[in-house]
Amino acid sequence: GQQLNQSPQSMFIQEGEDVSMNCTSSSIFNTWLWYKQDPGEGPVLLIALYKAGELTSNGRLTAQFGITRKDSFLNISASIPSDVGIYFCAGLVVPGRRALTFGSGTRLQVQP
Amino acid sequence: EAGVTQSPTHLIKTRGQQATLRCSPISGHTSVYWYQQALGLGLQFLLWYDEGEERNRGNFPPRFSGRQFPNYSSELNVNALELEDSALYLCASSGRQYFGPGTRLTVT
Repeated sequence: GQQLNQSPQSMFIQEGEDVSMNCTSSSIFNTWLWYKQDPGEGPVLLIALYKAGELTSNGRLTAQFGITRKDSFLNISASIPSDVGIYFCAGLVVPGRRALTFGSGTRLQVQP
Repeated sequence: EAGVTQSPTHLIKTRGQQATLRCSPISGHTSVYWYQQALGLGLQFLLWYDEGEERNRGNFPPRFSGRQFPNYSSELNVNALELEDSALYLCASSGRQYFGPGTRLTVT
């Protein structure tokens, strides 16, 4: 089945630093999504990518849909303490099962 | 516009019992997706309902089942609960899959 490898598993950084994380897959996806999850809550959609090569920003967040359609990257610039949480990538094959395949998450901690 | 709602927030059951979890999608959304998130792990797809029909299911045993009602709300039923069923159960609404806050199920 489809699997997503997300890295790094965790990061501990200083406030103000930039952060990069990525996901790779053995399968092609037609949509890539990035979510953030705070403790005890459901994931919140940050960025959605629909086309290979697409680069999309949402404030300090920038994500890219890889050219091969098998990978995606998320960058956070000038991190702040509220960026703390778990970031998940997710891929979607449309049409198909239309359910998301999730990466295992990147736990981000920001030292003020 | 109200978001995805789930109830109850927490549910504690003993092994062998049945659990029922509920979800209401965003108004106008016809699809509901259920995911299981075990502690410290990613989300695993459970079930997808659309227009009242089960469209697909993940790699879970048959004791995980559910249904979707005419108003597009959905129920997830877990029979013969096992300890490893303890997890956060998340429901997502169609479109770009907006998630509810989840139901924390604890099996003792």
